[in-house]
Amino acid sequence: DIQMTQSPSSLSASVGDRVTITCRASQSISNYLNWYQQKPGKAPKLLIYTAASLQSGVPSRFSGSGSGTDFTLTISSLQPEDFATYHCQQSYNTPYTFGQGTNLEIK
Amino acid sequence: QVQLQESGPGLVKPSETLSLTCTVSGYSISSGYYWDWIRQPPGKGLEWIGSISQSGSTYYNPSLKSRVTISVDTSKNQFSLKLSSVTAADTAVYYCSRRKSIVTKVWFDPWGQGTLVTVSS
Repeated sequence: DIQMTQSPSSLSASVGDRVTITCRASQSISNYLNWYQQKPGKAPKLLIYTAASLQSGVPSRFSGSGSGTDFTLTISSLQPEDFATYHCQQSYNTPYTFGQGTNLEIK
Repeated sequence: QVQLQESGPGLVKPSETLSLTCTVSGYSISSGYYWDWIRQPPGKGLEWIGSISQSGSTYYNPSLKSRVTISVDTSKNQFSLKLSSVTAADTAVYYCSRRKSIVTKVWFDPWGQGTLVTVSS
């Protein structure tokens, strides 16, 4: 199985900050990488697919980049509603696997 | 707008079979796509369980394959999950989702709200 490792596991930031979350794959996965946002008690919501494509309706302050083994999710200016857990997911091989999640908290 | 809703017992005894159903609205399963099950143990990450197409083709996570069955009922616009011989390690929130793709690149959208299944005697 392809292992997905996110860093950091948790992060404290303030409204207006620029935040970057990293996801690393245990082998090259080209751009077969997606990002999801999950709020407490809710289902994950798709933010970014194929590493850099913004899902319809997702604010443009979210962006994704990377290829191969290293990927980033960037929030350009944190808003109060962005405090949540973020998950990466690879679809290069089955079984599809997710990172352990990054919990973004208010400082 | 496509919506998914999981249903089924919230408590299952050890060694028994967990059974969940996902009802899809706003889209006909028979029109296409793959339909997936994903779970999340309390406080932990997400684990892909498996998927089914509208024609019944299935793919399972090898770690669960011996215990999992996913089926589809296009007449009811539903798909279902059965997980046998459950233990406490199977306690999780179970989500159903539609899989979208470009060629072989796959992502999950949308998701159901999730249902917590606890394995306990």
